[in-house]
Amino acid sequence: NAGVTQTPKFRVLKTGQSMTLLCAQDMNHEYMYWYRQDPGMGLRLIHYSVGEGTTAKGEVPDGYNVSRLKKQNFLLGLESAAPSQTSVYFCASSYRPRGLEETQYFGPGTRLLVL
Amino acid sequence: RKEVEQDPGPFNVPEGATVAFNCTYSNSASQSFFWYRQDCRKEPKLLMSVYSSGNEDGRFTAQLNRASQYISLLIRDSKLSDSATYLCVALSYNTDKLIFGTGTRLQVFP
Repeated sequence: NAGVTQTPKFRVLKTGQSMTLLCAQDMNHEYMYWYRQDPGMGLRLIHYSVGEGTTAKGEVPDGYNVSRLKKQNFLLGLESAAPSQTSVYFCASSYRPRGLEETQYFGPGTRLLVL
Repeated sequence: RKEVEQDPGPFNVPEGATVAFNCTYSNSASQSFFWYRQDCRKEPKLLMSVYSSGNEDGRFTAQLNRASQYISLLIRDSKLSDSATYLCVALSYNTDKLIFGTGTRLQVFP
């Protein structure tokens, strides 16, 4: 099992450019999440999905869109990148969110720099 | 006020030392708690869940105090390989979302 994979690993964008981050998991998890991590802020939830075809907003959704067309993939889109979106983006997946058996498995992260 | 708060550290300890981290949470609806470990420039990984009765996994012990709304992590006999950032995490059944603290950095030196 590859677990959770993310592409690309690193990207530099100019302000106003668009891009899509891809997250894939091979654990048949229902739930998938996109977080961003910034110094001093901790991990913040951008969007999440509780199953194929569903998406929902997290704590900091503005400027991002997501799609979950296939159960194993969760895409994060930036339509018009801004320097404030410079961050490390982590994708995660879990079987279910509740209970002590909950474990979110994280991908290796995507480092995004917006100039 | 942040929903989950941690001392950012760093905690610098010698090998073999015992070190403890505390974490406080403000949402009384938080039901489950976890400690994740994050190495530099890597993804977070689950270290251990925190049970109400307290639990131990080798050199690591986690405690939960619901009355005071804090969670602790104790590391005994610190190893160089324990150097990392430790994230305190709360799960609220109201929202089904994990809330992450900003992390406590531990540096173990020889």
